[in-house]
Amino acid sequence: KNEVEQSPQNLTAQEGEFITINCSYSVGISALHWLQQHPGGGIVSLFMLSSGKKKHGRLIATINIQEKHSSLHITASHPRDSAVYICAVRSWETSGSRLTFGEGTQLTVNP
Amino acid sequence: KAGVTQTPRYLIKTRGQQVTLSCSPISGHRSVSWYQQTPGQGLQFLFEYFSETQRNKGNFPGRFSGRQFSNSRSEMNVSTLELGDSALYLCATTDGGPYGYTFGSGTRLTVV
Repeated sequence: KNEVEQSPQNLTAQEGEFITINCSYSVGISALHWLQQHPGGGIVSLFMLSSGKKKHGRLIATINIQEKHSSLHITASHPRDSAVYICAVRSWETSGSRLTFGEGTQLTVNP
Repeated sequence: KAGVTQTPRYLIKTRGQQVTLSCSPISGHRSVSWYQQTPGQGLQFLFEYFSETQRNKGNFPGRFSGRQFSNSRSEMNVSTLELGDSALYLCATTDGGPYGYTFGSGTRLTVV
C-alpha cells in the first residue's frame, strides 16, 4: 500500500461545479503539500499545510491530522483548472526535504 | 524574483552515455531536491542537497549522483544510461520557510 493515496484518479466536471479531491496518508507528517501539474510538466505548489485550513482564491485545502486525511476543494471550477493535482507529504521520520507523492488526480473541467 | 531554472529542457541520449542536468534555485534557497517522474512510477525522490552536502537519498542505483555548489546550484548526473531512465527530471528548492517548495520546469530526458 502506498504511503499516500489519492482519490479519485480521474475527475470530469462541468464548469461551475464544486470539486473535491481527497488524500490519505499512513505516516506521521510534518507538512502536506498540494501541487498542480499542467501538460508540459511544470509543477506549481498550491498549499503547504500542517494543520487546519487554507484558502487562496477559489481553492481551499483542509487537513485532519488525527484522521491522516486532507482535501482540496475547488469552488466554481473553470476549464483552466484542468490539470493533474498531486498530494505530497513530508514525513517527520526523515530529516531534510524529502517528499512522498500520491499518484495524482487528473481533473478535466468542460465548458 | 527569478524562479527555479533547470537546463536543458529537453535532451536525447543514447544508451550507455552519461548526462548532466542542472538546477539553479531561487536566491536564498539552500535546499535542492531532485525527483524523477515516469508514467509508471509517478514522482520519486532521488536525493536532496543542502549546503553542498547530500542530506537524503532515495532508492536509486549508484548510476544516479549529484552535487551542489557553494552558490546552491545543483547538478545531477546519470551514467551508463538505460532506456528506463527516460523521464521528466524535476528539481524543487526551498528556504525551509512557510511557502514550501518551488519547482523547476523540468528536464525531459529521452534515452534511445
